[in-house]
Amino acid sequence: AQSVTQPDIHITVSEGASLELRCNYSYGATPYLFWYVQSPGQGLQLLLKYFSGDTLVQGIKGFEAEFKRSQSSFNLRKPSVHWSDAAEYFCAVGASSNYQLIWGAGTKLIIKP
Amino acid sequence: DAGVIQSPRHEVTEMGQEVTLRCKPISGHDYLFWYRQTMMRGLELLIYFNNNVPIDDSGMPEDRFSAKMPNASFSTLKIQPSEPRDSAVYFCASNAARQGSGNTIYFGEGSWLTVV
Repeated sequence: AQSVTQPDIHITVSEGASLELRCNYSYGATPYLFWYVQSPGQGLQLLLKYFSGDTLVQGIKGFEAEFKRSQSSFNLRKPSVHWSDAAEYFCAVGASSNYQLIWGAGTKLIIKP
Repeated sequence: DAGVIQSPRHEVTEMGQEVTLRCKPISGHDYLFWYRQTMMRGLELLIYFNNNVPIDDSGMPEDRFSAKMPNASFSTLKIQPSEPRDSAVYFCASNAARQGSGNTIYFGEGSWLTVV
């Protein structure tokens, strides 16, 4: 079955600390992988995406993610978080053959001052 | 680029009333999606259109929900009659099926519906 797992419902980190949000997927075809961010009261904004090529992708707001096929993972990282990064983060997977995405349940990021 | 535009942003209505949510996709995008987000169920795909034609409506919860896309620049999601359990954020999103663009989906800011 196709699925996306974000094992952490919420994560708390101190401002300035590094961050890693986990995403694991189960998908039969070659996956397209996405991270979206949702700030409170806002819609979802694309942070970054992986289609092919370099497995380390850079996104907006200083985020990056690494695709590891052997581990079926696409973890999101940021070296130093800012208070404005407090939001909910969603991982999603899709295929080139259709335009639906399978979504993870989201990870809520809380920033301690 | 105007992005996906949704209206209304917020609506409070009484149970039994009809609710109509509106969406203008990004110009040139040929896929349009309606999602619902709740605390309990997270993000759910309700229905999506390709070139104004409904492709998959299996996520529509029941007959009280209907969606239309009369042209490439406008879609509606209607709930009639509304019930308190329909309270949620409804997102419209669009996508362009161009070669190489993959299936990056662009979201509107959502319509926050409360049914009392």
